[in-house]
Amino acid sequence: LAKTTQPISMDSYEGQEVNITCSHNNIATNDYITWYQQFPSQGPRFIIQGYKTKVTNEVASLFIPADRKSSTLSLPRVSLSDTAVYYCLFSGGYNKLIFGAGTRLAVHP
Amino acid sequence: EAGVTQFPSHSVIEKGQTVTLRCDPISGHDNLYWYRRVMGKEIKFLLHFVKESKQDESGMPNNRFLAERTGGTYSTLKVQPAELEDSGVYFCASSQVLRTSGRETQYFGPGTRLLVL
Repeated sequence: LAKTTQPISMDSYEGQEVNITCSHNNIATNDYITWYQQFPSQGPRFIIQGYKTKVTNEVASLFIPADRKSSTLSLPRVSLSDTAVYYCLFSGGYNKLIFGAGTRLAVHP
Repeated sequence: EAGVTQFPSHSVIEKGQTVTLRCDPISGHDNLYWYRRVMGKEIKFLLHFVKESKQDESGMPNNRFLAERTGGTYSTLKVQPAELEDSGVYFCASSQVLRTSGRETQYFGPGTRLLVL
């Protein structure tokens, strides 16, 4: 079973900000929270990773509250090309990744 | 820097035949993982190498699957004999764990699409 819980699907429009929240009540001390993006017929692509507070890179931001029981991936100003499946996963020190169904994001014109 | 590569990109074989999938990890990455997604299911872990040693092979479905990583570089996953239910997409990922923090990021290859007829 996946260790994380996230919405099955989301819809948005071009130019909007999209926030995808992930719940992970059983996160361990040495777990990092990692988000991947996957397009059809491709492998999962690393987006962002964090341990606590806020992390930002050129494509997204990741917000993690102090209790680390949830996290929110924020995609600013999405475009049609951001339509994909997004996975929230734990990673840390030789751990296999346990995938759930992910969140299917559909961006509409 | 080259990413994780996998060969072939597609393979169509008949039931009972043998297929060998190859994964070339990012240079210098000690960790190599195999995952697969069968039709309509979620991506599942198969096994994990640290250098040439099998760290965890708890996800291997049965003894028809054999993974090797001779020399700790590229890895092969052989399915012999292939069955219909082996059809799916096989992904490889590699990583390097930061000793100071234990932080690890797995980078995935494009996958090999296997169809067993």
